[in-house]
Amino acid sequence: AQSVTQPDIHITVSEGASLELRCNYSYGATPYLFWYVQSPGQGLQLLLKYFSGDTLVQGIKGFEAEFKRSQSSFNLRKPSVHWSDAAEYFCAVVPSGGSYIPTFGRGTSLIVHP
Amino acid sequence: EAQVTQNPRYLITVTGKKLTVTCSQNMNHEYMSWYRQDPGLGLRQIYYSMNVEVTDKGDVPEGYKVSRKEKRNFPLILESPSPNQTSLYFCASSPLLAGGTGELFFGEGSRLTVL
Repeated sequence: AQSVTQPDIHITVSEGASLELRCNYSYGATPYLFWYVQSPGQGLQLLLKYFSGDTLVQGIKGFEAEFKRSQSSFNLRKPSVHWSDAAEYFCAVVPSGGSYIPTFGRGTSLIVHP
Repeated sequence: EAQVTQNPRYLITVTGKKLTVTCSQNMNHEYMSWYRQDPGLGLRQIYYSMNVEVTDKGDVPEGYKVSRKEKRNFPLILESPSPNQTSLYFCASSPLLAGGTGELFFGEGSRLTVL
């Protein structure tokens, strides 16, 4: 069965600092990969996605993620964090063939210090 | 505006009192799903539906029912709620991958407390 691991439950950064949130997956083939953000009191919103092609994908709000097949990873990055980026971040994978059942990681809570 | 609408957003109820959380989407999506979110456990899928009259269990279906009589609606039914169903619930929809992007569109969530 496929699985998604977000090893960091919480991450604290200072405003203006760079950010990297880790995501590793376990799946027989390259799945479709997603990052979602959940701001306090809100539903989840798609940040970016990877299907194929260029392994560095750009998303909204200045985020990017890099797919590394050899490491089964899809880490999310931002060069300079803003206080409004404080939120819960979820990595998700969807099988590239067969039934459409996404699997989510447990999430990483981002805390931003002024 | 394209959206997924859940109601109620907040509900406090008592053990055993049947309740329904409604979910409606206006994007003509085939796929709809319910998740519950609990601290430290992330998002866990309760039920999903690939199309009208097609539903299947997710990871944590016990104590829940769903139906998909119309494409736009996917209500979540708690026949006899118990305190361990206190949680934040999300409905989501998506066009199936063959015709869409694979993106999930989420409702704003329904916070349920069972006393």
